[in-house]
Amino acid sequence: AQSVSQHNHHVILSEAASLELGCNYSYGGTVNLFWYVQYPGQHLQLLLKYFSGDPLVKGIKGFEAEFIKSKFSFNLRKPSVQWSDTAEYFCAVISNQAGTALIFGKGTTLSVSS
Amino acid sequence: KAGVTQTPRYLIKTRGQQVTLSCSPISGHRSVSWYQQTPGQGLQFLFEYFSETQRNKGNFPGRFSGRQFSNSRSEMNVSTLELGDSALYLCASSLGSFTGELFFGEGSRLTVL
Repeated sequence: AQSVSQHNHHVILSEAASLELGCNYSYGGTVNLFWYVQYPGQHLQLLLKYFSGDPLVKGIKGFEAEFIKSKFSFNLRKPSVQWSDTAEYFCAVISNQAGTALIFGKGTTLSVSS
Repeated sequence: KAGVTQTPRYLIKTRGQQVTLSCSPISGHRSVSWYQQTPGQGLQFLFEYFSETQRNKGNFPGRFSGRQFSNSRSEMNVSTLELGDSALYLCASSLGSFTGELFFGEGSRLTVL
């Protein structure tokens, strides 16, 4: 079945640690990939997106993600996390083989201790 | 520019009742999508409307329905509520369909007793 999988349910890091959150998808065809973030008490917002071109995309707040087509992956990275990065992170895919809907993974909760 | 507005923000219903949730998209946005968010299942796609037409529908029973008006405002309705319908219902708008760049509202939290 077509799906978006996020490897980790809950990640706990100390400030300044490096972050990598995994995301794999099983959709074929042309895909557009996204990471969304939901800070405590706030609404979901777009962190970064990949449509085409350079597979390494940069988003807000120092986040970046790499699209590896052969691995059907779109992992999110940040070299040094801050306490303010504590949030829930969602990977999402839109595929021309899956209609017009943006399909989300189940999310990864990141807790950063100061 | 005003964001996506959802009403009501919180509501409590009992099993068997029905509920209608409202969403006002960002001005100029013609696409409205609805999602159900629960701790166990995450964000699950309900449906998407574009220019008053349902473009896509998720895997939810027929008790879940929606519509979009000519001013792009959207409503979703859940009939014969079940305990499992308790969730945060999120509305998101975008300029067009199939962009993936969604702007979310703060959600309507439904509790079914």
